[in-house]
Amino acid sequence: NAGVTQTPKFRILKIGQSMTLQCTQDMNHNYMYWYRQDPGMGLKLIYYSVGAGITDKGEVPNGYNVSRSTTEDFPLRLELAAPSQTSVYFCASSYAGEAKNIQYFGAGTRLSVL
Amino acid sequence: GQQLNQSPQSMFIQEGEDVSMNCTSSSIFNTWLWYKQDPGEGPVLLIALYKAGELTSNGRLTAQFGITRKDSFLNISASIPSDVGIYFCAGRGTSYDKVIFGPGTSLSVIP
Repeated sequence: NAGVTQTPKFRILKIGQSMTLQCTQDMNHNYMYWYRQDPGMGLKLIYYSVGAGITDKGEVPNGYNVSRSTTEDFPLRLELAAPSQTSVYFCASSYAGEAKNIQYFGAGTRLSVL
Repeated sequence: GQQLNQSPQSMFIQEGEDVSMNCTSSSIFNTWLWYKQDPGEGPVLLIALYKAGELTSNGRLTAQFGITRKDSFLNISASIPSDVGIYFCAGRGTSYDKVIFGPGTSLSVIP
């Protein structure tokens, strides 16, 4: 019953460093999403994918990149970390094509850029 | 773009009290979702609503899909300490549309 798994849970980066946030799901969902959540704010969509090999920008894509080589994995890449990217990052997945299309979330990655 | 507003922004209530919160939109939605986020965790779906006027319960939680399709309401009866968290509403047009999340209502329960 793994669902959506995110690694790492916590990370501290220096300005200019790069890192990849990992996300994997075992529910055979076609859609996957990356959100960021800033203190006191809702979830803002960074990137999403409707299937392997297909990705698209969300509301706040600048400074991030994604890839979707398999159905299960949807990594998020930060190339040049900036303090503005300090946030909690959530990955989610869903099965679009059924009426309900409910998103299931991972536990989050807490990132600080200093 | 589409926006959701949630009120109140935060609530402090006594254990045992009932709670009401709502979510309004500038656009019509075909699906309304209510999620709860426990401290340090990801959001978890509480209730999903698919028809205008629909009233759905999940234990002590009851949510309604407003008849205008631009709002939704969540009620929690007889609150307990584990109800503490952030409650997000979310709306969606068709099942292929992106979900729009509200900013959340933070609930604190005083024992």
